[in-house]
Parts: sequence; structure tokens; C-alpha cells
Amino acid sequence: AQTVTQSQPEMSVQEAETVTLSCTYDTSESDYYLFWYKQPPSRQMILVIRQEAYKQQNATENRFSVNFQKAAKSFSLKISDSQLGDAAMYFCAYRSTLPHMRFGAGTRLTVKP
Amino acid sequence: GAGVSQTPSNKVTEKGKYVELRCDPISGHTALYWYRQSLGQGPEFLIYFQGTGAADDSGLPNDRFFAVRPEGSVSTLKIQRTERGDSAVYLCASSYSGGASGANVLTFGAGSRLTVL
Repeated sequence: AQTVTQSQPEMSVQEAETVTLSCTYDTSESDYYLFWYKQPPSRQMILVIRQEAYKQQNATENRFSVNFQKAAKSFSLKISDSQLGDAAMYFCAYRSTLPHMRFGAGTRLTVKP
Repeated sequence: GAGVSQTPSNKVTEKGKYVELRCDPISGHTALYWYRQSLGQGPEFLIYFQGTGAADDSGLPNDRFFAVRPEGSVSTLKIQRTERGDSAVYLCASSYSGGASGANVLTFGAGSRLTVL
């Protein structure tokens, strides 16, 4: 079964600095998709970035980028120029041929002014 | 609608009672998903609908949990004989389609927080 592991329950970053959130996954599939979702206190899960496993180029969305290491089954999220509004729970998620996503346990990010 | 709408936002009930949680997906989204998020955990899959039919209900924990989507739009998650362990946030998500296309992005609602006393 596919599993998603986020080994950092909590992370902290100074405003304007850079932080990296870690995620590893286990799968025997060759074709799959990986996602990072943000969940603020409002509870609504918001898509931050996604990566197709067949693409070697790392996905980037403005201040958010990923480091996708397929052989190592690693998918980390880098947030540059951190802002107070980035404070939230961040979930890494995996999806392959099955339609539903499998999520990690999450990392709580605190941004210090 | 513009987003996925879930009602009620919060529900407090007593052990043994019956509850219904409603999800109104984005218009045109044929796939609908229910997840359960316990405190301090990531969302766990419960059930997936493609149209009106439950295509995958392997995540439902037991037969006290049931979900319907009679007209292929609004879905209701039903929990019978609630237990304290059912307390969680129940999230609904929708997408244009499910199936093998992993690129389909799920759009989530704000969830319904269920508290069983």
C-alpha cells in the first residue's frame, strides 16, 4: 500500500526567510502525482503545488517550489520569502491510478515576524 | 456554486444519535470524495462517487457509515449510532472526473466538525 510520511510535525521560519518541508512516500507504481496542500485554521485545504512523476523538472509556483527525487521517493516543499500568511498546516499527498489521494500526517508551519 | 459547500459547519451530538452531513460540490464536477480528518492527522479517505454511484467505499470504517449522491450532485454522509470516536472534521472534495487521471485536482470544502459527547 502507498504511504506518505511527513517526519516534521512542526517547523518554524522567520518572515522573509526560506523553509523546506519534507515528505517521503512509498509506492510500487511508476506513474503518479504528488501534491502539497495548505490548510489554514479555516480548515479548507488549498492546493499549493503539484508534480507529475513522469516530469523530471521540478514544479514551481511563485514562492513555492518542490525538490522531487523519484528514485529516493522524496518530495520536499520549499517556501521562499516566507510571509505571515504562509502559517498553516501543510499536507503532502499522493495519487496514482486510484482516484482518491493519500495524505501524510502534516507539518505545522509557524512564521515569526 | 463557486466552491465546495459543506453544512453544517459544526455539529455537536450525543452518543448514539444519528447525524447527516451535506456536501454541495462545484457545478459540473462528476467526482465527489469524503474524507475524515481526526485531530492532528491528515485526511483519511472514506468514499468516492463518480456520478450517482459509489465507485469506491473501501474507506468507510464500518456499517454505521453510509453516503448517498442520488442525483449526481449533492451528497450526504450519514452516521448512525454515533460514537465518541467518530468526532472529527469531515471533509468533502470534488473534481471534474476521477478515474485514472491523477492530474485531476481535488477542490475541498471547509469541512464539517462533528463532536460526539
